[in-house]
Amino acid sequence: GESVGLHLPTLSVQEGDNSIINCAYSNSASDYFIWYKQESGKGPQFIIDIRSNMDKRQGQRVTVLLNKTVKHLSLQIAATQPGDSAVYFCAENMDDYKLSFGAGTTVTVRA
Amino acid sequence: DAGITQSPRHKVTETGTPVTLRCHQTENHRYMYWYRQDPGHGLRLIHYSYGVKDTDKGEVSDGYSVSRSKTEDFLLTLESATSSQTSVYFCAIGSMGAGTEAFFGQGTRLTVV
Repeated sequence: GESVGLHLPTLSVQEGDNSIINCAYSNSASDYFIWYKQESGKGPQFIIDIRSNMDKRQGQRVTVLLNKTVKHLSLQIAATQPGDSAVYFCAENMDDYKLSFGAGTTVTVRA
Repeated sequence: DAGITQSPRHKVTETGTPVTLRCHQTENHRYMYWYRQDPGHGLRLIHYSYGVKDTDKGEVSDGYSVSRSKTEDFLLTLESATSSQTSVYFCAIGSMGAGTEAFFGQGTRLTVV
């Protein structure tokens, strides 16, 4: 698999490999984090979320890890498929039901 | 797409003209949001609404106003469009709180020339 140590705007992955997308968040008081997927020409779609009292949560082929010590969030995609090509955003819940989004990582899956 | 319709989907307008974008929902959600998306910035909150006639500013509200006269409609107005407001605008609905999910519209691509 391929990973991004710090946030990078692009990630190229071989089909079938695992992907790891990293995100640094800003507010140590944030209590809720979400990953969104945005395909070309569409709005963002919810993938998975995690509360601050957890450090790991698994979904279907995706896992989110939260490291509050260094304010770091990651999304792992298992067995990356062509349909996973998209822009991925992390978001943190600031207050009053508002989200603050990261700049996004464009994932390209190579056949 | 969770019952959210944005209109228009594309618009080209001239600098200095007013522009209104519409977001219509059929989900009866209390919370509605307007975001703009620009390369390198992700999505930035412009304004949001937590009920009919209840609105508040986001992080990039200058040059924008909103109105919510009924639950299903949230309007975003650019009072005097500038080239810096060329962007893709997304409406979203949902509380965005823990354990809930927010849904985004398809976006409106606005070009100010």
